[in-house]
Amino acid sequence: AQSVTQLDSQVPVFEEAPVELRCNYSSSVSVYLFWYVQYPNQGLQLLLKYLSGSTLVKSINGFEAEFNKSQTSFHLRKPSVHISDTAEYFCAAITNFGNEKLTFGTGTRLTIIP
Amino acid sequence: DTGVSQDPRHKITKRGQNVTFRCDPISEHNRLYWYRQTLGQGPEFLTYFQNEAQLEKSRLLSDRFSAERPKGSFSTLEIQRTEQGDSAMYLCASSNLQQRGGTDTQYFGPGTRLTVL
Repeated sequence: AQSVTQLDSQVPVFEEAPVELRCNYSSSVSVYLFWYVQYPNQGLQLLLKYLSGSTLVKSINGFEAEFNKSQTSFHLRKPSVHISDTAEYFCAAITNFGNEKLTFGTGTRLTIIP
Repeated sequence: DTGVSQDPRHKITKRGQNVTFRCDPISEHNRLYWYRQTLGQGPEFLTYFQNEAQLEKSRLLSDRFSAERPKGSFSTLEIQRTEQGDSAMYLCASSNLQQRGGTDTQYFGPGTRLTVL
C-alpha cells in the first residue's frame, strides 16, 4: 500500500528566510505527486504537481518541489517566505491510476515569524 | 466557474441523529470524490463517482454512510445514527478525468465541519 510521510508537523520560519517542507512517499509503481495548501478557514488549493517530465516543478508564488525517485521524496522549498505563506501544507500522491484517489500526508503547519 | 461548493459549512448534531451533506462540483466535471479529515490528519479517501456511478468505497465508509450522485451532478453524503467518532471535516473534490491512466487536478470545496455531541 502506498503512503505519504510528512515528518514535520510544524515548521516555524522567520520572514524572508528559506524553508523546506519534507515529503516522502512509498510506492513500488509510478506515482503522481502533489502539494496542496490550506490557508486558515479555507479549502485545499493545489500548489504544484509532478506528473512526468522535468523533475523540478514550480508554483506561481515562488514555491518549487523536486521529484527524487531514488530517495522517494518530493520536498517543497521556497527561498524567501512571506507572512502570507502561513498555512498548512499537504503532500499527496496518486498511484492507482484507475480511481486517481489522493493519499495525503498528515500535513505541515508553516508559521512565519515576523 | 464558481468552484466546488458544499453545504452546510458547519453542522452540529446529537449522537444518533442522521445528517446529510451536499456537494456541488465544478460544472461538467465527471469525477467527484469525498474525503474525511480529522484533527491533525490529512484528508482520507471515502468514495468517488464517475458521472452517476459510485465506483469505489473505502473501508472507512461503514454501512451507516451512503453517498449518491443522481444524474451525475451534485452529490449527497448521508450519515445515519451519527457517533462522536464521525466528528470531522468532510471534503468534496471534483475533477474532469478524460482518459484512464491520466489525471486531472482535483478541486476541493471548503468542506463541511461535523460535530457530533
